[in-house]
Amino acid sequence: NAGVMQNPRHLVRRRGQEARLRCSPMKGHSHVYWYRQLPEEGLKFMVYLQKENIIDESGMPKERFSAEFPKEGPSILRIQQVVRGDSAAYFCASSPPLAGSTDTQYFGPGTRLTVL
Amino acid sequence: QKEVEQNSGPLSVPEGAIASLNCTYSDRVSQSFFWYRQYSGKSPELIMSIYSNGDKEDGRFTAQLNKASQYVSLLIRDSQPSDSATYLCAVKPYRGSTLGRLYFGRGTQLTVWP
Repeated sequence: NAGVMQNPRHLVRRRGQEARLRCSPMKGHSHVYWYRQLPEEGLKFMVYLQKENIIDESGMPKERFSAEFPKEGPSILRIQQVVRGDSAAYFCASSPPLAGSTDTQYFGPGTRLTVL
Repeated sequence: QKEVEQNSGPLSVPEGAIASLNCTYSDRVSQSFFWYRQYSGKSPELIMSIYSNGDKEDGRFTAQLNKASQYVSLLIRDSQPSDSATYLCAVKPYRGSTLGRLYFGRGTQLTVWP
């Protein structure tokens, strides 16, 4: 049973370019969360999505960042016009539907973004 | 304002000892609590979840929850060098149809020396 998958694992971008991060949840999971971890800091929530719906984006910067979880395919976190401060590890987590199951979140391996 | 506080450490214990990690949280309606382990350069890995007051044991790990005092702890018995990692405490406001986000502490770095 495959876990949460993320790609790419490492991404290098120059300032001003776009970064696109992908996340496929665990089989049977319909909730996806994105977190960001800056060097020497804890995990910070960014956005919570279900299929075709953004449930909570209160942790997303207002500009340049967007996320989607289409009916088909992986969830995508998009960062436009990247700046050096965007360099971080971006983790995706997934959890099963809440009804009748646990609310535990399982993390993918992360995408480490480096902005030159 | 929902905050999760952990001693940043580092916490250093000898092999075979008990490591005690503590976490306090500010939101009284929090209902779900999690401990994750994160090795350097890796992703968080779930160790324990706890929802009710008291102790929950799983192998060498014991999670303790005290909602009245708003703290949750993790005990690691017979610590091994392979337990050396950063331990993240995470809190979820409450279960059900609410928002699913977790609030994380900054983590406690544990070193177990042989």
